[in-house]
Amino acid sequence: GAVVSQHPSWVICKSGTSVKIECRSLDFQATTMFWYRQFPKQSLMLMATSNEGSKATYEQGVEKDKFLINHASLTLSTLTVTSAHPEDSSFYICSARDPGQGRPNEQFFGPGTRLTVL
Amino acid sequence: AQSVTQLGSHVSVSEGALVLLRCNYSSSVPPYLFWYVQYPNQGLQLLLKYTSAATLVKGINGFEAEFKKSETSFHLTKPSAHMSDAAEYFCAVTWGAGSYQLTFGKGTKLSVIP
Repeated sequence: GAVVSQHPSWVICKSGTSVKIECRSLDFQATTMFWYRQFPKQSLMLMATSNEGSKATYEQGVEKDKFLINHASLTLSTLTVTSAHPEDSSFYICSARDPGQGRPNEQFFGPGTRLTVL
Repeated sequence: AQSVTQLGSHVSVSEGALVLLRCNYSSSVPPYLFWYVQYPNQGLQLLLKYTSAATLVKGINGFEAEFKKSETSFHLTKPSAHMSDAAEYFCAVTWGAGSYQLTFGKGTKLSVIP
C-alpha cells in the first residue's frame, strides 16, 4: 500500500511554455502532499507543501507565480511550471502523507519527473 | 537550528565488506529519523525509520541503523555490501509527532567495488 505515481516521468519542452506535472496517491487519501526539486548530484529541496482544498505553502525563495500548485482532491496534486526556462530543468519529486496508516510522520514518494527545458 | 548532516558525500566499499553511512542530527526535541535510498532517475524508497521505539532499527535489504541519543547519530550499516546496493542514500528527519516536513541530508553516494 501507499503508492504514489507521477506523470509524466519525463518531459521536454521549449522555453516559454508551461508544463504540468501530476502527483497521485493511488491507494490512499493524501491530505498533505509535498513537492521537491532535485538538482544533479544534490539533495532534495522542498519547494512547497500543499493541503487538499487550501493554498500551498511555499518555501522561502520559491516563486509562487512560477510554480503553481493545486491540490484539488485527496488523491491528486499538480505542479505547473509556468513560462519555463532552461534553469527550471530539474528532477521534480512529489510525496504524500497518509494520516490513515498510523504513520503520520512518513512520506511516500513518487518516482519523479525529469523536466528538460530547451 | 535543527539540521541533519551526512558525513562523506561518497563512500566506496568492496563487495562483501561492511557498509557504514553516517548521519548526525541536531535537535532540541526528539527526532523522527529516516533513511532513504535513491537509484538513478528514480524516486526515494524508504529503507528504515526510527520513531522513538526500539533504538536499533532493521530495514529492508539487510540494512539497519541505531539511534544514539548521546551521540545524536543514526548511522546506517549493512554487514556485507552487494553490487545492487550502489545508490544514493539520504538521511532525513522530522521533529515531533505533529511534524510532517522532512529535512534531508545532502546524501551519500555508495559505490560497491567488485
